[in-house]
Amino acid sequence: GNSVTQMEGPVTLSEEAFLTINCTYTATGYPSLFWYVQYPGEGLQLLLKATKADDKGSNKGFEATYRKETTSFHLEKGSVQVSDSAVYFCALSAVYNFNKFYFGSGTKLNVKP
Amino acid sequence: NAGVMQNPRHLVRRRGQEARLRCSPMKGHSHVYWYRQLPEEGLKFMVYLQKENIIDESGMPKERFSAEFPKEGPSILRIQQVVRGDSAAYFCASSPPRGDEQTETQYFGPGTRLLVL
Repeated sequence: GNSVTQMEGPVTLSEEAFLTINCTYTATGYPSLFWYVQYPGEGLQLLLKATKADDKGSNKGFEATYRKETTSFHLEKGSVQVSDSAVYFCALSAVYNFNKFYFGSGTKLNVKP
Repeated sequence: NAGVMQNPRHLVRRRGQEARLRCSPMKGHSHVYWYRQLPEEGLKFMVYLQKENIIDESGMPKERFSAEFPKEGPSILRIQQVVRGDSAAYFCASSPPRGDEQTETQYFGPGTRLLVL
């Protein structure tokens, strides 16, 4: 079946630190992979995506590379800001039913000044 | 271009009452999805609808839950005879018609937080 596993949080970092949030997946074939961000009290916003192996998605200084060999899509940012504090969700869309998204449990990021 | 709209943002119901959650997709989007988020968990797919059609309801509980997306008006997620376990955040998402390269991307609303007393 399809599933997504994320590292558990919360992750607490100081401003300008390097961020990695691990995400691995299980899927049939080659799904599309996504990172969404959820700020307190709000809905999910698409952060970046990758639709095939070795693709790199990037946005707002965040990036993630679709690694087929390790079935991973880790989120990275070189220098986090306080405004990056949020919950980050990794997700995949099923190959044969791409209308159904599978989400990880989310990783809460706290960035301190 | 307005995003996905959901209302109400917060809803309080007593056990046994009905809850109606509304979702208006982004302009030009014809696909609507509902997800449920329990506290400290990720989102779980419930149902996928197009105008006047339920395409995939494999994530919907068998009883008390129903969804519709009429020809005119918003999509409605209806929960009858609510129980405390229904307390959660319910998110709606929409995507463009098929053939658009952005079809795979789902755009989410702000959610409705349901609390059952």
